[in-house]
Amino acid sequence: AQTVTQSQPEMSVQEAETVTLSCTYDTSENNYYLFWYKQPPSRQMILVIRQEAYKQQNATENRFSVNFQKAAKSFSLKISDSQLGDTAMYFCAFRGFSGTYKYIFGTGTRLKVLA
Amino acid sequence: DTGVSQNPRHKITKRGQNVTFRCDPISEHNRLYWYRQTLGQGPEFLTYFQNEAQLEKSRLLSDRFSAERPKGSFSTLEIQRTEQGDSAMYLCASSLGQAPTEAFFGQGTRLTVV
Repeated sequence: AQTVTQSQPEMSVQEAETVTLSCTYDTSENNYYLFWYKQPPSRQMILVIRQEAYKQQNATENRFSVNFQKAAKSFSLKISDSQLGDTAMYFCAFRGFSGTYKYIFGTGTRLKVLA
Repeated sequence: DTGVSQNPRHKITKRGQNVTFRCDPISEHNRLYWYRQTLGQGPEFLTYFQNEAQLEKSRLLSDRFSAERPKGSFSTLEIQRTEQGDSAMYLCASSLGQAPTEAFFGQGTRLTVV
């Protein structure tokens, strides 16, 4: 069974600085999708960035980028130029390419951006 | 498109009562998911549908939980004989059966069992 592990329950970063959130996963599949979701306090979960495992190039969305290491089964999120609005829970998620289409989430990292 | 809509947003019920939640997915999405989230935890998978077919149900889901998606449109999640341990946020999400592959989430229904 696939699992997703986020080993950093809480992190903080100064405004305008860079922070990296870690995620590891376990799967026997070769093709799959990885996601980072953001859940601000009392607000709904939104997608930050997605990565297809068959793509070697790391995904980037504005200030957000990932470091995808397929062999190591590692998928970290880097937030550059952190803003106060980045304060939220961040969840790493996995979805297989075939078979079951459920999304499996990690336990999350609570990120606080300090002014 | 208004996104994934869930109703009610909040529900307080007495232990032993039945509750039903509704989810309206994004209209062109054929997959619909239910998750449960407790404070400080990640979403826990409950079940998902492809069109009207319920394709997978978590083995952690007791027989008191049932979900339907008639005609492949909206979905309902019913909890019978609620227990205090059922108190949680219940999230609904939907996705296309093709790219893009991400799930879009609703704002959730917060259930409190007293």
